[in-house]
Amino acid sequence: GAGVSQTPSNKVTEKGKYVELRCDPISGHTALYWYRQSLGQGPEFLIYFQGTGAADDSGLPNDRFFAVRPEGSVSTLKIQRTERGDSAVYLCASSLEVGSTGELFFGEGSRLTVL
Amino acid sequence: GDSVTQMEGPVTLSEEAFLTINCTYTATGYPSLFWYVQYPGEGLQLLLKATKADDKGSNKGFEATYRKETTSFHLEKGSVQVSDSAVYFCALRGVGNKLVFGAGTILRVKS
Repeated sequence: GAGVSQTPSNKVTEKGKYVELRCDPISGHTALYWYRQSLGQGPEFLIYFQGTGAADDSGLPNDRFFAVRPEGSVSTLKIQRTERGDSAVYLCASSLEVGSTGELFFGEGSRLTVL
Repeated sequence: GDSVTQMEGPVTLSEEAFLTINCTYTATGYPSLFWYVQYPGEGLQLLLKATKADDKGSNKGFEATYRKETTSFHLEKGSVQVSDSAVYFCALRGVGNKLVFGAGTILRVKS
């Protein structure tokens, strides 16, 4: 497909478990973003990659959250020792343009539920 | 830091009514401004954007004008349809390249 692809679309896990969420951006897009959206709220920025490196990880809430993009394409968001408060929809977006005028293209999200 | 404030919803309108959703922002420098829309069961998609002061973004009958003097980017549509029912997010993208969103406004249009 031509859009941003996220897997899994739904993930239910137990408190304390480890979770990985995957994002496959639009081909050729060098910028990749992770956001978290809780019910009734706007998306909250987590981390932004330009190529393989994290250009801004200021939104990661604590050291249980980590993201990688080893080859500058697919990215994985990793959450250790999950807590009930981590339950949310995790959105990935990619962008072709580096500057501030460009559009971000979003995937449909991965819904994480921590029991 | 950069922030966006938009009017709380839900906004409930009858078909063919006029729509305004207010959005104001705080930012360093001169950000680009966006409206994204999330239809039921779908992902976020760009509705329109404006990249400099006095620019007007428009799409699908929706319009918004970048007002630097009032730091606003209000969304308007002259005649809404049932199919416009969705959640609308105002957002800005500044020097840090990340998109900063408002809390979203639910729009419900009744036939």
